[in-house]
Amino acid sequence: RKEVEQDPGPFNVPEGATVAFNCTYSNSASQSFFWYRQDCRKEPKLLMSVYSSGNEDGRFTAQLNRASQYISLLIRDSKLSDSATYLCVVNNNNDMRFGAGTRLTVKP
Amino acid sequence: GAVVSQHPSWVICKSGTSVKIECRSLDFQATTMFWYRQFPKQSLMLMATSNEGSKATYEQGVEKDKFLINHASLTLSTLTVTSAHPEDSSFYICSASYFILDGISYNEQFFGPGTRLTVL
Repeated sequence: RKEVEQDPGPFNVPEGATVAFNCTYSNSASQSFFWYRQDCRKEPKLLMSVYSSGNEDGRFTAQLNRASQYISLLIRDSKLSDSATYLCVVNNNNDMRFGAGTRLTVKP
Repeated sequence: GAVVSQHPSWVICKSGTSVKIECRSLDFQATTMFWYRQFPKQSLMLMATSNEGSKATYEQGVEKDKFLINHASLTLSTLTVTSAHPEDSSFYICSASYFILDGISYNEQFFGPGTRLTVL
């Protein structure tokens, strides 16, 4: 089993749609969690950290369920510019593990 | 915000040559830097973790004698691909951890823009 598993995608959605990504991790000792965004041929950029209480940043909502070792990212009112690959990242003592990423394409 | 630079951004070299890639944290001191490799349509794969002043810790399957990592200062880490071969062609990305001096640390990683290596 991979340490971090994500929905394989790709997700193709129309503008304005709501889309959710899921991620599970195997190491129960993992301490912190992130969603990164990576555009084609570019480096990953931090989208948001994920907190136990859940957190929201504009159209983006992240949730963490430690008991189920599950992380989610919800994008509301998707824009064309949201098209990218979304990486789930799990950290344990600076040992960062990346999911394979889920590709999202938002179409007009 | 934390800025990480890499140089060069792309390099083409002949098989058998060595290539050095620099990773710098521009506005903060990074005690830990990470080196990743990404093949087309695949996820980032951690190659090694580099702590300033000590030897890098390599992931299983990564040859330490082929991928030489030096982290001589808190703002610079280098990756040297020795005797490069076409199968080493990839996108190499470094990242740095960002720590605030009052003991509060952010453990997000800030990534450099990457170096695209093509070995002919």
